[in-house]
Amino acid sequence: AQSVTQPDIHITVSEGASLELRCNYSYGATPYLFWYVQSPGQGLQLLLKYFSGDTLVQGIKGFEAEFKRSQSSFNLRKPSVHWSDAAEYFCAVGSGGTSYGKLTFGQGTILTVHP
Amino acid sequence: GAVVSQHPSRVICKSGTSVKIECRSLDFQATTMFWYRQFPKQSLMLMATSNEGSKATYEQGVEKDKFLINHASLTLSTLTVTSAHPEDSSFYICSADLVGVTDTQYFGPGTRLTVL
Repeated sequence: AQSVTQPDIHITVSEGASLELRCNYSYGATPYLFWYVQSPGQGLQLLLKYFSGDTLVQGIKGFEAEFKRSQSSFNLRKPSVHWSDAAEYFCAVGSGGTSYGKLTFGQGTILTVHP
Repeated sequence: GAVVSQHPSRVICKSGTSVKIECRSLDFQATTMFWYRQFPKQSLMLMATSNEGSKATYEQGVEKDKFLINHASLTLSTLTVTSAHPEDSSFYICSADLVGVTDTQYFGPGTRLTVL
């Protein structure tokens, strides 16, 4: 069965600092990997996804993630954090199929940004 | 972008009553919708996959007679929590798959259910 682990429950960074959120997955085949952000009162928003090809994936809002098969990781990074990035971030792995729909989510990482 | 709405956003009900939650894709057609449940400080857990015009597929451990799902049109899926009990209190989130763009799910804002 597929699983996702986000080791950090809560991360605090200063505005302008760099950010890395960790994600490790377990999946028997080539994984479909996603990062979502959840803000209060809003639905999960897709930041980026990896299906195949270039292992460094660029997303929205200046985020990027790197797929490392040897480490079973898909860490999310941002070079300079903005106060508006404060939210909860979820890593997810999807099964195959036409919709990659059956997503398994990690526990989430809450990001706090200090001014 | 594609928008998914949920109604209501919050609902409080008495134990033993049934509650219906609607999930709508506002500007696109979705052949598939998904229902998730999120407990406080926990991750989202997939409950069921809902396909338009057919029966929903439930994940292991999810009671299909308790969580009734209907996907009658390409823009609407409903989740009915029957005979709700306090342990059903949770945050329910739906997502919709964008037809023609098969690699993206769009999520609704969620419904907070509190059963007294």
